[in-house]
Amino acid sequence: NAGVTQTPKFQVLKTGQSMTLQCAQDMNHNSMYWYRQDPGMGLRLIYYSASEGTTDKGEVPNGYNVSRLNKREFSLRLESAAPSQTSVYFCATGGGEGLEQYFGPGTRLTVT
Amino acid sequence: QQQVKQSPQSLIVQKGGIPIINCAYENTAFDYFPWYQQFPGKGPALLIAIRPDVSEKKEGRFTISFNKSAKQFSLHIMDSQPGDSATYFCAASTGTGNQFYFGTGTSLTVIP
Repeated sequence: NAGVTQTPKFQVLKTGQSMTLQCAQDMNHNSMYWYRQDPGMGLRLIYYSASEGTTDKGEVPNGYNVSRLNKREFSLRLESAAPSQTSVYFCATGGGEGLEQYFGPGTRLTVT
Repeated sequence: QQQVKQSPQSLIVQKGGIPIINCAYENTAFDYFPWYQQFPGKGPALLIAIRPDVSEKKEGRFTISFNKSAKQFSLHIMDSQPGDSATYFCAASTGTGNQFYFGTGTSLTVIP
């Protein structure tokens, strides 16, 4: 039972490059979330998915796209990376009517 | 605009002390208030959560106090231990669990 897994753990991109962050869960939760964490800013919601086939914008969606591939997987795509997207990205799932969130270990992304 | 304001930014206490972390919000639609603990290099983990229909909730050494009229809530850690040294985040959400808003975090150091 791995819980929430994220790949990769670390990534360095050049400005303008694209990449997809992967998230998978084996907790059978309906809700999944993508956050970014920046020093002094806390965690900010990028996108969320309340169920398979649905996605909605959070606080800071600009520059990102998401795909809820199935109940287990929720990916985050940066089409054209910018230095402002340097951050630690966390995926989370929601159990207990989506209110208890379980976080993955994070992906540390640097854009140069 | 920060939906949930958290203070202090950092806190140092002696072992056995009772650190208190405070959070305030404006949106009266929030009705779920969790606290998360995060160790360096790890994802946040749910510590304890409260609904506004109670004024206090205890789980082990952790207590949430909630003041609905003041729109404030706080985390108290009884008999703090060096192993409690971590960053703590408060958060708030509406009952749907679709959008979570986090505070900016408090870095707690417990000195042996």
